[in-house]
Amino acid sequence: SQTIHQWPATLVQPVGSPLSLECTVEGTSNPNLYWYRQAAGRGLQLLFYSVGIGQISSEVPQNLSASRPQDRQFILSSKKLLLSDSGFYLCAWSAGRGRWDSPLHFGNGTRLTVT
Amino acid sequence: SQQGEEDPQALSIQEGENATMNCSYKTSINNLQWYRQNSGRGLVHLILIRSNEREKHSGRLRVTLDTSKKSSSLLITASRAADTASYFCATDAEDQAGTALIFGKGTTLSVSS
Repeated sequence: SQTIHQWPATLVQPVGSPLSLECTVEGTSNPNLYWYRQAAGRGLQLLFYSVGIGQISSEVPQNLSASRPQDRQFILSSKKLLLSDSGFYLCAWSAGRGRWDSPLHFGNGTRLTVT
Repeated sequence: SQQGEEDPQALSIQEGENATMNCSYKTSINNLQWYRQNSGRGLVHLILIRSNEREKHSGRLRVTLDTSKKSSSLLITASRAADTASYFCATDAEDQAGTALIFGKGTTLSVSS
């Protein structure tokens, strides 16, 4: 069966510090991968998605970046965090190969607090 | 980009009652999905309905889709306390090949015993 791992679960970082959140998927190949952010009491904001290794689409211009160094690994990074980067970050995967009608499968999220 | 909007934002009911949540969207879609999120957790997929479908059932869940009104509804019958969660609709865009799902802001459902 497919599983998605996302870590860390919680993170407290000072303003200006770097960030690296990692997400890995097991049990599937060529998945579409996604990073969403959820502010407190709000909906999900799509940050990045990827249809393959090295292919990253950005939905929101900001100081975050994403990389996909391996087929089932998706990394969210920042060189310098802002207070506004605080939120709940969710990684997700869906069946790939150009399909956009598959359900998303989410990790348990990372609660990031920038102080 | 387009976005689904859920209504109401919050809903409080008693166990055993039915809960109905609505979702409206702006442009033509290929499919619409409903997700559930327990507090502090990731989202869980509930049901997907395609643009050529009008109604789907899954257990106590019933989803309808009216493409002429660009709206969908999620009905949870015989609610239980365990149904307490936030519910989101998500849509793709028919004319944007390769666009990921866009989520609404959700309906927070509270079921009291």
